[in-house]
Amino acid sequence: DTAVSQTPKYLVTQMGNDKSIKCEQNLGHDTMYWYKQDSKKFLKIMFSYNNKELIINETVPNRFSPKSPDKAHLNLHINSLELGDSAVYFCASSRVTGAAQETQYFGPGTRLLVL
Amino acid sequence: QKEVEQNSGPLSVPEGAIASLNCTYSDRVSQSFFWYRQYSGKSPELIMSIYSNGDKEDGRFTAQLNKASQYVSLLIRDSQPSDSATYLCAVNLGGGYNKLIFGAGTRLAVHP
Repeated sequence: DTAVSQTPKYLVTQMGNDKSIKCEQNLGHDTMYWYKQDSKKFLKIMFSYNNKELIINETVPNRFSPKSPDKAHLNLHINSLELGDSAVYFCASSRVTGAAQETQYFGPGTRLLVL
Repeated sequence: QKEVEQNSGPLSVPEGAIASLNCTYSDRVSQSFFWYRQYSGKSPELIMSIYSNGDKEDGRFTAQLNKASQYVSLLIRDSQPSDSATYLCAVNLGGGYNKLIFGAGTRLAVHP
């Protein structure tokens, strides 16, 4: 009965490689998010999609490209990985956008280590 | 200037005591406020949300909001060792995109 799931859970890769992280939610939510949590535990939003449309696009290197094939899925592709990309990436979802009181539910996270 | 500020801690309290976690935010248009708990190696989970000035209670947890002072706090009564975690304060600025700005978190340690 996982609400927000992510794959893979761990990802260890070499600098310069390209990798993807996948996220799926079965809550029927319209909005999904990608967050990055760095080594100091600071959680920062990267992207948000509402029903497959990109609505939040923070200042993130263009090596990061999100894709939402449908409103239940949000993927993150990272090109030319760098050491500084090492972090935990969390996917989240919420019922709607535009409602400031909506709770965001987080997935288990993907721990990316770039060597 | 950071948008959401929290004392990183650790805040150490004895079991059974009240833990008080504080958060200040810089943007006056902030509309809603959330407290998430994050255990080490786990994902954030919602503890409390608050939207209006005053107190909101849920079991052992009380959230307090003072918009004039741009201050939100979380009180945990009868603290238990299982409450030991990092508590993240998050602020929604509104504006239609449900964008949450997180503080760096306060680490709470409850000792027996």
